[in-house]
Amino acid sequence: QKEVEQNSGPLSVPEGAIASLNCTYSDRGSQSFFWYRQYSGKSPELIMSIYSNGDKEDGRFTAQLNKASQYVSLLIRDSQPSDSATYLCAHETSGTYKYIFGTGTRLKVLA
Amino acid sequence: DADVTQTPRNRITKTGKRIMLECSQTKGHDRMYWYRQDPGLGLRLIYYSFDVKDINKGEISDGYSVSRQAQAKFSLSLESAIPNQTALYFCATSDLGQARGYTFGSGTRLTVV
Repeated sequence: QKEVEQNSGPLSVPEGAIASLNCTYSDRGSQSFFWYRQYSGKSPELIMSIYSNGDKEDGRFTAQLNKASQYVSLLIRDSQPSDSATYLCAHETSGTYKYIFGTGTRLKVLA
Repeated sequence: DADVTQTPRNRITKTGKRIMLECSQTKGHDRMYWYRQDPGLGLRLIYYSFDVKDINKGEISDGYSVSRQAQAKFSLSLESAIPNQTALYFCATSDLGQARGYTFGSGTRLTVV
């Protein structure tokens, strides 16, 4: 079992729709979770971090964390073509300050 | 100027050659990391350092070495490059305290022929 699992996609959504990206992880001790956006050939860019169960909202982005079920998700409201990218889920392995990344979900927002 | 700078941006080298990838940062972060990214395999940790005297192997350190020359500089070397080291390499930094995420450099695309 991979430590962080993501559906590779592509996930295609029409412009203006809500995109829902999901991630599961195996380390029950993980405390910190992150979503990165990566455009093709570019470096990952941090868009959300979440540490507590529940929802965290930042603009059009909402991160959701459920530690009991070991999943974290990212919702993108009012999706735009510029949101088309690969979204990487990551968590910090318990107390190590090292992050484990999923392989990413490719999102395509259709104009 | 970028907070985390990697050089070179692109490099083509021959099998067996030694090559160094450099990373410097102006974030003032103590923690620095080297990852490689391959299609379908995601980002994998090669080496990491929490201060100048602290160097640790990641999950795929074989064939690589690192040097932490100063708090702001962390270099990755391929002692004898081989074709399966062809990848996109990223340097990243992070701050002390509760995990706040990495800041990545712009990456080095390395091709070993």
